[in-house]
Amino acid sequence: KAGVTQTPRYLIKTRGQQVTLSCSPISGHRSVSWYQQTPGQGLQFLFEYFSETQRNKGNFPGRFSGRQFSNSRSEMNVSTLELGDSALYLCASSWREGDNEQFFGPGTRLTVL
Amino acid sequence: GEDVEQSLFLSVREGDSSVINCTYTDSSSTYLYWYKQEPGAGLQLLTYIFSNMDMKQDQRLTVLLNKKDKHLSLRIADTQTGDSAIYFCAESMAIVGYSTLTFGKGTMLLVSP
Repeated sequence: KAGVTQTPRYLIKTRGQQVTLSCSPISGHRSVSWYQQTPGQGLQFLFEYFSETQRNKGNFPGRFSGRQFSNSRSEMNVSTLELGDSALYLCASSWREGDNEQFFGPGTRLTVL
Repeated sequence: GEDVEQSLFLSVREGDSSVINCTYTDSSSTYLYWYKQEPGAGLQLLTYIFSNMDMKQDQRLTVLLNKKDKHLSLRIADTQTGDSAIYFCAESMAIVGYSTLTFGKGTMLLVSP
C-alpha cells in the first residue's frame, strides 16, 4: 500500500510570495494533519482536516491556511512568505479523526530567501 | 497546558541497549508515541502505548510508562548503527475527534561501532 505522498519535496521561494503544498493520504485514510518542523521550535501542529472540514487548528497566523478535497487530498497555503516560514512541512494521515495511528509523509522542505 | 520534554542527545555503542526518556505534563493524554526520524526523511511511527498500560514490547523495542510520574521511556535492545536517528516522544490529548500530536524536541541517538 502506498504511503503518504507530499509534493513538491523541495521548494525555494522569496519573501512576500505565496506557496501551496500538497498531501495525498494513504488510500482509505480520511483524516489529514499538517505539522511544521523547524530547528528552533521543533514540531508544531498546524491544522487537521476530516471529511473536508477543518477540525482543529494550531497557533499560527492567518497566512497559513489549508483545505481538504472530497478524495481526502489536502493542500496547505502560506501567503506573504517570511524568512521564518522556512521549515520542513509534514503531513500525516489516519483512517479517521481521533485515530491513534498517524502516518507521516516525507515532508516538503520550504526555503524562503 | 501540555509540554513534552526529552533529553537532547544519547550516545551508545553498537550492541548495547539504549534508553530514551520523556516526560509529559498532560494528565489527560490518551496515547503516547515514539517516532523515529532519519536525516532528510519524515517521521516513522515506531510504537505507541495506551495510557492505561504500563509496558509494551515489540521486538527490540520496549516502552515503559509510569503514569504517576508522567514518565515514558523507550528501550532499544541490541542497538545497531542503523538505529542512529532522532527519536520523538509525542502525546495525544483525550479529546474525541482530535488527533493532534504534541511532540518533544527529539533525542538524537548516535550509535558507534
